[in-house]
Amino acid sequence: ETGVTQSPTHLIKTRGQQVTLRCSSQSGHNTVSWYQQALGQGPQFIFQYYREEENGRGNFPPRFSGLQFPNYSSELNVNALELDDSALYLCASSLAGGKAFFGQGTRLTVV
Amino acid sequence: EDQVTQSPEALRLQEGESSSLNCSYTVSGLRGLFWYRQDPGKGPEFLFTLYSAGEEKEKERLKATLTKKESFLHITAPKPEDSATYLCAVSTTTGANNLFFGTGTRLTVIP
Repeated sequence: ETGVTQSPTHLIKTRGQQVTLRCSSQSGHNTVSWYQQALGQGPQFIFQYYREEENGRGNFPPRFSGLQFPNYSSELNVNALELDDSALYLCASSLAGGKAFFGQGTRLTVV
Repeated sequence: EDQVTQSPEALRLQEGESSSLNCSYTVSGLRGLFWYRQDPGKGPEFLFTLYSAGEEKEKERLKATLTKKESFLHITAPKPEDSATYLCAVSTTTGANNLFFGTGTRLTVIP
């Protein structure tokens, strides 16, 4: 049990729609990172937030955006969903520079 | 370009049959190397962090080692409950402290 919780656990959306995924970080952790994991692949870094500011971004288009709140919880927003966005979305929390603890993920299916 | 390669892609072992998983990496500057365990449909579970060549860490039947080019995860006398995908990841001195993952080794331990 990592203390990182994600909601919802599963989600089905239609191509072109928008989706918001949520993450509650482990108590005391000020850094949240989001990853996308396609079937059979390793997680790929989307972006990271540190104290409510974006602190780094992977190779994802601008329709992937995020927020971090004062309590360090976070949201991942994806606009104009595409079929290839179907994946397991993982949130990880950490103290800056420390090891990352992952939530159980949100399985997004785009049809 | 930073690269993490894991081998083999899949490994089947008899219960009690020891073996090793390999993670080779090419990075601009290594901040740390991480091993995670991932069960199907779940988020990765933290196992070890290694920071410098020669470092070793152990936990139950698992032992992780690190050289300047690769890391090994040794599994001694595995049990069926060790069946999972094992992911290797690196964080670099030039990145945002995010993790760059390999594609994982899927381990199956047969009773």
